[in-house]
Amino acid sequence: EIVLTQSPATLSLSPGERATLSCRASQSVRSYLAWYQQKVGQAPSLLIYDASNRATGIPARFSGSGSGTDFTLTISSLEPEDFAVYYCQQRSDWPLTFGQGTRLEIK
Amino acid sequence: QITLRESGPTLVKPTQTLTLTCSFSGFSFSTSGVGVGWIRQPPGKALEWLALIFWDDGEHYRPSLKSRLTITKDTSKNQVVLTMTNMDPVDTATYYCAHRRSDSFFAYWGQGTLVTVSS
Repeated sequence: EIVLTQSPATLSLSPGERATLSCRASQSVRSYLAWYQQKVGQAPSLLIYDASNRATGIPARFSGSGSGTDFTLTISSLEPEDFAVYYCQQRSDWPLTFGQGTRLEIK
Repeated sequence: QITLRESGPTLVKPTQTLTLTCSFSGFSFSTSGVGVGWIRQPPGKALEWLALIFWDDGEHYRPSLKSRLTITKDTSKNQVVLTMTNMDPVDTATYYCAHRRSDSFFAYWGQGTLVTVSS
């Protein structure tokens, strides 16, 4: 099973700041990695797929990069609605796996 | 417009079997590449993928739960059913169904249903 490790567990930032979230895979997942955002009481929503492609309707301030084992989600300038939990997920191999999440909180 | 909705019991007793139904619209299993998966999330914890079924009847399960899970589809009803046997309090979670294509990720999710396992 491919283990995805996200860091940091919690990130405290202010609106307008830049956020950098990391996801590291225990073995190569090529570019088959996605990022999801989950707000309190809601289902996750797809932000980034195949490492660097924004899903439909996702603002340009969200960007993804990386391949192989190291991936990054960057939010260039935080908006109030961006404070949420973010998960990475791989589809390179079965079983599908998620990271443990990064909580992005207002400082 | 793709929508999914989970339904089933909100409370089950330990050792009982859980049956959840995902009813969807906006897509069909008649389309190549279509899949529906189940993901759960214990309160305050991370997402955990459980099972997935594809348009071609291909099934995939989380290995640690494979012996307890069965996923089936009813193409005519636009439904996917997940059964989980021998429920335990640690299985208390919000259960989501979600749509994905074979070459992509879970782009559409249901709102989730909270299942509590307690005597």
